Amino acid sequence: DTGVSQDPRHKITKRGQNVTFRCDPISEHNRLYWYRQTLGQGPEFLTYFQNEAQLEKSRLLSDRFSAERPKGSFSTLEIQRTEQGDSAMYLCASSSAGSTDTQYFGPGTRLTVL
Amino acid sequence: AQSVSQHNHHVILSEAASLELGCNYSYGGTVNLFWYVQYPGQHLQLLLKYFSGDPLVKGIKGFEAEFIKSKFSFNLRKPSVQWSDTAEYFCAVNSGGYQKVTFGIGTKLQVIP
Repeated sequence: DTGVSQDPRHKITKRGQNVTFRCDPISEHNRLYWYRQTLGQGPEFLTYFQNEAQLEKSRLLSDRFSAERPKGSFSTLEIQRTEQGDSAMYLCASSSAGSTDTQYFGPGTRLTVL
Repeated sequence: AQSVSQHNHHVILSEAASLELGCNYSYGGTVNLFWYVQYPGQHLQLLLKYFSGDPLVKGIKGFEAEFIKSKFSFNLRKPSVQWSDTAEYFCAVNSGGYQKVTFGIGTKLQVIP
């Protein structure tokens, strides 16, 4: 399968713990995006990388959230001191550079904070 | 800031009925418009997109959408739905040279055999 992959698919954690998610984009894509989706809502943009540079960040991305893409390939999203309100589906997408590039989504990581 | 409104949150249709899902966006400049679909247990997939040119866009599985700039609308249509079209449909927009895509709340479509 050459699509976007995410790991883990499900994560259950206790409030206050740190969690880290990984996203592997489609191999030839140099743009990578993180979104968050809560129940009954559409995905909400969190952040975007072009290669290893983080170029856009949403105000939704509090200082407890950090994303990296150190080598311009896979990316990690870390949430520190998780809160119950962080429970959501975290989606990763990738695209190739260009004005008409389309974002292709992965299966998501479902986070449950108890 | 850009935003997207989807008019119907739940739609129930019988097979062979025609479908139209409404989508309006708010942004005055050049926009790129998308419809994504999420089938039960699967991830988001692109159904169709509009960047420029012919405002009537055809996508996969017989879906089409029409961009009407004067109405800030991008409604999704299918002349005859099938049970396999049961899914959640999201309208989305990006604009202004930004990569951020703004999604609507989604419309859950249930097709009854």
